[in-house]
Amino acid sequence: KAGVTQTPRYLIKTRGQQVTLSCSPISGHRSVSWYQQTPGQGLQFLFEYFSETQRNKGNFPGRFSGRQFSNSRSEMNVSTLELGDSALYLCASSLAGDLNNEQFFGPGTRLTVL
Amino acid sequence: AQSVTQLDSHVSVSEGTPVLLRCNYSSSYSPSLFWYVQHPNKGLQLLLKYTSAATLVKGINGFEAEFKKSETSFHLTKPSAHMSDAAEYFCVVSLTGGGNKLTFGTGTQLKVEL
Repeated sequence: KAGVTQTPRYLIKTRGQQVTLSCSPISGHRSVSWYQQTPGQGLQFLFEYFSETQRNKGNFPGRFSGRQFSNSRSEMNVSTLELGDSALYLCASSLAGDLNNEQFFGPGTRLTVL
Repeated sequence: AQSVTQLDSHVSVSEGTPVLLRCNYSSSYSPSLFWYVQHPNKGLQLLLKYTSAATLVKGINGFEAEFKKSETSFHLTKPSAHMSDAAEYFCVVSLTGGGNKLTFGTGTQLKVEL
């Protein structure tokens, strides 16, 4: 079974631009969560989608948004990029969104904002 | 609010000696606790999880952790370190029934020396 895939793996943008990152969960998984990892703030939860609905949300500004499609693939969008948005963005999928189901993480998308 | 505190940012051990990575949690409700490992340039991998069943949890690669409610601790141990254990380890908490919103500790970098 293929693991969680994220595209692109690396991205360079400039301040003010917007970016869209994509995550394809493991086949059959319906929950997708997104995390931001930075050296200063560590790993922080962005949001979780389950059956195309946002179920949980972290403490990030409205510039960060996401969505989930009927095939469970998810995208996250960051508008008006700031230097501080440079980070590794990780997505994780799980079967049914229950804590008894392990979350599987993708390799991440490394975003650099210049 | 839920949180975890990893007491050591760096731990260095010799190969073949025991490993102890410390974690204390804070949660108003019944928590689920996890340990994840992140090798350089790789995604996060679940080592083990506690979800209110047995307090001693065995994970992959010889790791185990003991949930101690009286001490609000969930320390990770391994009897004998291997060079391949060198990585960053994250203690993670989530509220039972709270969906897939994981709160990560700041991480402990484990170094294994010959």
